[in-house]
Amino acid sequence: DAKTTQPPSMDCAEGRAANLPCNHSTISGNEYVYWYRQIHSQGPQYIIHGLKNNETNEMASLIITEDRKSSTLILPHATLRDTAVYYCIVRVFYNYGQNFVFGPGTRLSVLP
Amino acid sequence: DAMVIQNPRYQVTQFGKPVTLSCSQTLNHNVMYWYQQKSSQAPKLLFHYYDKDFNNEADTPDNFQSRRPNTSFCFLDIRSPGLGDAAMYLCATSRGTENSNQPQHFGDGTRLSIL
Repeated sequence: DAKTTQPPSMDCAEGRAANLPCNHSTISGNEYVYWYRQIHSQGPQYIIHGLKNNETNEMASLIITEDRKSSTLILPHATLRDTAVYYCIVRVFYNYGQNFVFGPGTRLSVLP
Repeated sequence: DAMVIQNPRYQVTQFGKPVTLSCSQTLNHNVMYWYQQKSSQAPKLLFHYYDKDFNNEADTPDNFQSRRPNTSFCFLDIRSPGLGDAAMYLCATSRGTENSNQPQHFGDGTRLSIL
């Protein structure tokens, strides 16, 4: 079962910041949060990941709450090409290996 | 560019006829994964190889098998495809030890249709 919950869809105006929330209230201490996005007919594309500190790269920023029960992906200046399904993922380690447990995803529509 | 390559992008097979999907990588990653993604759903992990060690998810049907002859290649075999197996199949790789936090790199998938 997915360990994350996300809103099914969001809209954002082109040029504005897109803030995508994710809840992961059952996350364990050693489990990272990853964000990927998927454009139709392509494989998921890695965006960013973090454990407990806020992270920033050339694509986005990741804000993780102090209790680690939720996080927000921020696209600072959304463009039409950012229209995609965004997945918040918790990496779960088992004795026999590891699993990326995909959440349901948020369909982000960037509007002109 | 280093990448994960899946061939073919589209595959059509007949009900019950075995089919093999392939994945290759130039990243030299030691972990390779296969996911199934049905329409409008999130990808679901089927199994993964950690080096040569095969790890099957508990709810992956026996109809799905995998082979990894070397570091670069991994195959997904569906022994007797049913209509419910029509989906996008995604291959991914990552570099890591047991507790690595390295992200996965995905191919663009093979879309499988069953006639």
